[in-house]
Amino acid sequence: SSELTQDPAVSVALGQTVRITCQGDSLRSYYASWYQQKPGQAPVLVIYGKNNRPSGIPDRFSGSSSGNTASLTITGAQAEDEADYYCNSRDSSGNRIGVFGGGTKLTVL
Amino acid sequence: EVQLVETGGGLIQPGGSLRLSCAASGFTVSSNYMSWVRQAPGKGLEWVSVIYSGGSTYYADSVKGRFTISRDNSKNTLYLQMNSLRAEDTAVYYCARDWVSEDAFDIWGQGTMVTVSS
Repeated sequence: SSELTQDPAVSVALGQTVRITCQGDSLRSYYASWYQQKPGQAPVLVIYGKNNRPSGIPDRFSGSSSGNTASLTITGAQAEDEADYYCNSRDSSGNRIGVFGGGTKLTVL
Repeated sequence: EVQLVETGGGLIQPGGSLRLSCAASGFTVSSNYMSWVRQAPGKGLEWVSVIYSGGSTYYADSVKGRFTISRDNSKNTLYLQMNSLRAEDTAVYYCARDWVSEDAFDIWGQGTMVTVSS
């Protein structure tokens, strides 16, 4: 199995841009997906594939990848974006066995 | 409407058993990969198990040999049979549709809480 590493906490000023990163060997071969989770709620998919957003996800959310690092960028962060964010990918053998990062708590100041 | 609804959680003593259900609507469980993901209080997401559309099953090492994932095609429902429960299995359990072509969990249930305590 593989590990995905995220910074535990990140903060951003209202309206500014923030990048949340996810590192892991499997990301050299596979895309990460990203999930937003607000307190008491189920996770919600916000980014998948190279840089795709499900219907209903604002276009201020975008994804990118380079080497062993995947990134979720929020351009013009809003108060409602304050949440935990998790990355997910395959394991290093390519099995569709979910591996999640430890999560990043985003605070919007 | 596409949705997943989990039921079956509750308070159970260590060593006990519990079966979680996840009823799907708006799509067919048997045509999709379906997973269980859990979240211990104050902790991150942990993948637990998956059942492929072809029927193959896989488990996290932490639950292997104790948990069994299955589905009832006639009821369009996913299950997680949990045996030999431990305190560390205490968590909210989510079922999720695995959008395998995109490597993403696109539909999630609301979760059901399992508390293992004496």
